[in-house]
Amino acid sequence: QVQLVESGGGLVNPGGSLRLSCAASGFTFSSYHMSWLRRTPGKGLEWISSISGSGSDITYADSVKGRFSISRDNTNNSLYLQMNSLRSEDTALYYCARSFSETYPYWGQGTVVTVSS
Amino acid sequence: DIQMTQSPSTLSASVGDRVTITCRASQSISYWLAWYQEKPGKAPTLLIYDTFTLQGGVPSRFSGSGSGTDYTLTISRLQPDDFATYYCQQYDTSPFTFGPGTKVDVK
Repeated sequence: QVQLVESGGGLVNPGGSLRLSCAASGFTFSSYHMSWLRRTPGKGLEWISSISGSGSDITYADSVKGRFSISRDNTNNSLYLQMNSLRSEDTALYYCARSFSETYPYWGQGTVVTVSS
Repeated sequence: DIQMTQSPSTLSASVGDRVTITCRASQSISYWLAWYQEKPGKAPTLLIYDTFTLQGGVPSRFSGSGSGTDYTLTISRLQPDDFATYYCQQYDTSPFTFGPGTKVDVK
């Protein structure tokens, strides 16, 4: 069955960096678009970024463009989110999800990122 | 960005009730609408996509309808497992935005 397990969250100072990982199993990882989403207290559920199966097509929400970078390693069935210049408003529960036409049938359980001094 | 609103924000209902949740987009989204169910401590699960299509394994008591800017999720006969929060999501135009959620609780 499809499993997505996020890791890498934690407490970071404003302006700091963090790299989230998502380990995927139970499906042919390279065949699927993958996405990162987050839940914040203020904005609720928010799509952040998506990447095609090959990694050639990448999109970002304006709120993270230029600061966050999505990538994937199809050899190791892993998805990543490099987060730089973190702000307090990036505090959230971050999910990775397998995409289907920009819907999200499969989600991980999430990893918490707290940006605070 | 397309703004999504939902009504009501909270709905109190009893087992067996027919429940209707409404989602409105700030502009036409041409049927590119999905519904998710979320329970405390768990990730959302996809119920319906393309306005009408049930995701595999979703009970037939769930149905979706709508067009243009206005969409509806209906639960024909509410079951104990259905007490949860429901979100709509548009995927017509990036960024793909979610509604604020409708919590269905016990009356």
